[in-house]
Amino acid sequence: NAGVTQTPKFRVLKTGQSMTLLCAQDMNHEYMYWYRQDPGMGLRLIHYSVGEGTTAKGEVPDGYNVSRLKKQNFLLGLESAAPSQTSVYFCASSYSSQPQHFGDGTRLSIL
Amino acid sequence: RKEVEQDPGPFNVPEGATVAFNCTYSNSASQSFFWYRQDCRKEPKLLMSVYSSGNEDGRFTAQLNRASQYISLLIRDSKLSDSATYLCVVPPGGSYIPTFGRGTSLIVHP
Repeated sequence: NAGVTQTPKFRVLKTGQSMTLLCAQDMNHEYMYWYRQDPGMGLRLIHYSVGEGTTAKGEVPDGYNVSRLKKQNFLLGLESAAPSQTSVYFCASSYSSQPQHFGDGTRLSIL
Repeated sequence: RKEVEQDPGPFNVPEGATVAFNCTYSNSASQSFFWYRQDCRKEPKLLMSVYSSGNEDGRFTAQLNRASQYISLLIRDSKLSDSATYLCVVPPGGSYIPTFGRGTSLIVHP
């Protein structure tokens, strides 16, 4: 019973490089979310999806893109990484108003 | 006023103490409320849902005060293992997209 799986768990990038973070859930949840967490800032919502093929912007969407081509997967892309995007990224999934289940995070450093 | 506000703490308490945190929210239409626990460098995990009638799970009690728009978490007989950050989550009324508080840090010392 995997729940929510994030890959990779750690990554170091150079400024300007691109990468994709993958989130996969096996609970058949409709809703999926990407957050970033920085010291003293709490969890901030980047993008979210309420179903396959749909995405929406959260609180801090700039510099990120997402796709939800399959219900179980939610991809977060950084087209041109910047040092300000150094953070811990959490993916979560849920049924509508029910509590979220989180992945164990991706620690991303951009030099 | 921010949508969800928490005292960041830290709350520094001895083992066995009782400690309580509050979380205020601004959207009176909010219907679902949750408390999460987050250990250092780990993912948040659901601790309790908060119902209108309150909710108790062992040493933990959650309460909702709609009139004053806050939820509370009470921890009795604190353990060293309770040391963590406690996040409140309030989905805005009419939305299923949760808003997280910044968390309250609890440190339980021997």
